[in-house]
Amino acid sequence: EAGVVQSPRYKIIEKKQPVAFWCNPISGHNTLYWYRQNLGQGPELLIRYENEEAVDDSQLPKDRFSAERLKGVDSTLKIQPAELGDSAVYLCASSLEGHQPQHFGDGTRLSIL
Amino acid sequence: DAKTTQPNSMESNEEEPVHLPCNHSTISGTDYIHWYRQLPSQGPEYVIHGLTSNVNNRMASLAIAEDRKSSTLILHRATLRDAAVYYCILRFRRDDKIIFGKGTRLHILP
Repeated sequence: EAGVVQSPRYKIIEKKQPVAFWCNPISGHNTLYWYRQNLGQGPELLIRYENEEAVDDSQLPKDRFSAERLKGVDSTLKIQPAELGDSAVYLCASSLEGHQPQHFGDGTRLSIL
Repeated sequence: DAKTTQPNSMESNEEEPVHLPCNHSTISGTDYIHWYRQLPSQGPEYVIHGLTSNVNNRMASLAIAEDRKSSTLILHRATLRDAAVYYCILRFRRDDKIIFGKGTRLHILP
């Protein structure tokens, strides 16, 4: 089966610019997650979707971050405007159901100049 | 939230078994113990999980202490491709949130 697909793989932008990341989960997986991973740290959950509903967005900085999962399949994560501290790897994961093991994509590495 | 404690790094020789320890003294009765690993430039990969009994799969074995306050991930025969950061995570049964720590960076010596 195809894994979780993320694009782009790398993104370099200047601060204050907008940026968007895209994720295509494994087919049939109802639960989708976005994580942020800073250098030398483990991933931190930003938001979790059950189908198209965001069931946990408590760690999403809502002043500049937004996410959507239209039709309960693909998802996009947006930052507007980006700040220097947003440089990190953004990971998407999906699972068949909330309690099943999570399958991760290879992430988007974001660099802010 | 229950926390886990792992050594920052470990080394092992190729083709030898590796035992990766994890302490979780504040674990509750419904917490599952999960292990993920992350190879360089890749996303984390699920390895194994268990509740009370020892578990085996094609990748590894998980040995859980009788009091569940600690566990050990066992790689039976390490290869260079096993060099990665290994995360021990407690997963709350009622809430599927998983919280990653810093993990153990495993170095495999040829």
